[in-house]
Amino acid sequence: QSVLTQPPSASGTPGQRVTISCSGSSSNIGSNTVNWYQQFPGTAPKLLIYRNNQRPSGVPDRFSGSKSGTSASLAISGLQSEDEADYYCAAWDDSLNGPVFGGGTKLTVL
Amino acid sequence: EVQLVESGGGLVQPGGSLRLSCAASGFSFSSYAMSWVRQAPGKGLEWVSALSGSGDSTDYADSVKGRFTISRDNSKNTLFLQMNSLRAEDTAVYYCAKSYYASGTYYNAPCDSWGQGTLVTVSS
Repeated sequence: QSVLTQPPSASGTPGQRVTISCSGSSSNIGSNTVNWYQQFPGTAPKLLIYRNNQRPSGVPDRFSGSKSGTSASLAISGLQSEDEADYYCAAWDDSLNGPVFGGGTKLTVL
Repeated sequence: EVQLVESGGGLVQPGGSLRLSCAASGFSFSSYAMSWVRQAPGKGLEWVSALSGSGDSTDYADSVKGRFTISRDNSKNTLFLQMNSLRAEDTAVYYCAKSYYASGTYYNAPCDSWGQGTLVTVSS
């Protein structure tokens, strides 16, 4: 059981806009910033969004993040087949004194 | 270019020990906090432990506290994870990861570079 809650799956068609939610509590998302990671099967995770809505160099602006209260969202616009991957949210948890992850959302491009 | 290369994984019996290493290159190793994150087969990501750039601050997930020890040798740009009293539920791919900020702290810091991972299997 993950500390942060994500839907196990999401889907969309090419060109569509898809959002993935991440729900937490006051000890994690409510008081700290949220990061998002993208992971393809058999490979290491890649940092996609940090500090709620910042993109590392090289990440397309099709990816965006937002946070409100104890929830956060990742939005992918202009969906492409190569976006098919697992997406994880993460945030520092002040009670556990470490980062916590969501269970991951498998994105399928139909 | 940042490179992180883990080694030391393998098959170990329950109750046994294993020491993972992560060789780092391409950045000022001592300036960055480092973490270990694991992923059980078919499961999500789980943070294991983190260590400040200077090595004077550490934290562990409750699931490994008292059994695992994180350390680093800044003279050799290498991160370690000593794993003792291993259990079946420790079976996972273990990734070492570099903190995004050059502050030396891991508090509230994302990980921007990850190794390829090393598989640890605990089974009799």
